[in-house]
Amino acid sequence: AQSVSQHNHHVILSEAASLELGCNYSYGGTVNLFWYVQYPGQHLQLLLKYFSGDPLVKGIKGFEAEFIKSKFSFNLRKPSVQWSDTAEYFCAVGPGGYNKLIFGAGTRLAVHP
Amino acid sequence: GAVVSQHPSRVICKSGTSVKIECRSLDFQATTMFWYRQFPKKSLMLMATSNEGSKATYEQGVEKDKFLINHASLTLSTLTVTSAHPEDSSFYICSARVGQTTEAFFGQGTRLTVV
Repeated sequence: AQSVSQHNHHVILSEAASLELGCNYSYGGTVNLFWYVQYPGQHLQLLLKYFSGDPLVKGIKGFEAEFIKSKFSFNLRKPSVQWSDTAEYFCAVGPGGYNKLIFGAGTRLAVHP
Repeated sequence: GAVVSQHPSRVICKSGTSVKIECRSLDFQATTMFWYRQFPKKSLMLMATSNEGSKATYEQGVEKDKFLINHASLTLSTLTVTSAHPEDSSFYICSARVGQTTEAFFGQGTRLTVV
């Protein structure tokens, strides 16, 4: 069965620190990859997505992610976090040929001023 | 971005009754809608995927007779929790997208409490 693993459940950073959240998936075929963010009290919003092409994807609010096919990974990065980045981050995978979107367990990020 | 509206946002029902949750795509036609269940401090668990005009595809372990999904039009899908029990209390979230290679847009979720 397809699955998505997010390695960090809770991350605490100070403002201006760099961020990297891990995401690995188990599916050998073509995939569409997504990172979603859920700010407190709000619904899920798309940060960035990868379908094909350049494996380094830039999203909104200074986030980027790199698709490494050989590692089945799609890690999220941001060079310098802000207090407003405090939220829960979800990695999601759409296995090619399957009409579904599977989510990881999420990573709760807290950024302290 | 596109807007997906879920209604109601909160519902309390008695054990044994049924409750219907609506998911509407307000400014686009959704060929596919997903229904998720989110447990406290857990991820979104995909319950089922529905395509307009066809039967929903349920994930393993999800009872299709208990969680009835209808996707009668390109802008509306409904999830009916039948004969609800307290263990069905949860946060239910729908999402909608056009085609398979576009992002999914999410509703604000429905908090169901069965008493």
